[in-house]
Amino acid sequence: GENVEQHPSTLSVQEGDSAVIKCTYSDSASNYFPWYKQELGKGPQLIIDIRSNVGEKKDQRIAVTLNKTAKHFSLHITETQPEDSAVYFCAAPRNSGYSTLTFGKGTMLLVSP
Amino acid sequence: NAGVTQTPKFQVLKTGQSMTLQCAQDMNHNSMYWYRQDPGMGLRLIYYSASEGTTDKGEVPNGYNVSRLNKREFSLRLESAAPSQTSVYFCASTGTGGYGITANYGYTFGSGTRLTVV
Repeated sequence: GENVEQHPSTLSVQEGDSAVIKCTYSDSASNYFPWYKQELGKGPQLIIDIRSNVGEKKDQRIAVTLNKTAKHFSLHITETQPEDSAVYFCAAPRNSGYSTLTFGKGTMLLVSP
Repeated sequence: NAGVTQTPKFQVLKTGQSMTLQCAQDMNHNSMYWYRQDPGMGLRLIYYSASEGTTDKGEVPNGYNVSRLNKREFSLRLESAAPSQTSVYFCASTGTGGYGITANYGYTFGSGTRLTVV
């Protein structure tokens, strides 16, 4: 099955700086890579995703890049704001059948004013 | 605009007690999932239901059972709770799951049930 590694586990930045979170995956057949944001006391929320037929996708201040050869993908947040503080999870398909996901262990992002 | 509703939000059980975690979605989604979240472990899949009438095991199914009561509801049961089952449990749903490039992974999560087993 798929194995997803996520780094770093914690990330502290100053407001306005950029933040980058990286994930690697093991199954070269994986074709879908979502990122979820989890605020304190809430469930994860999908913020951006990418399929393996594109190398980059942007949505305002967030972007995801994919390197299929190296089997890694990254979340980029520019001009960070305090409300970006949360735990971020990457994921990849379990590839054991139906549409189920394997998640990374999460990155706690803290944006200081 | 309810989305995915989980009950209860908090629960404390004694070792050996049983309970059922409830999940309901109002988005007419076909596929539903149960994940558990533990510190430093991310989210791990317990069971899922591709469609009404079907259920399958995930990564960590031992000690749990599920029921897909109808299209809206997917419950998770702990028959004899153990301290190792202390966790936050999340239910999720997606429109129509599938295989390969047709799979739909756009999950909507509930707000979770925080369970403590003492």
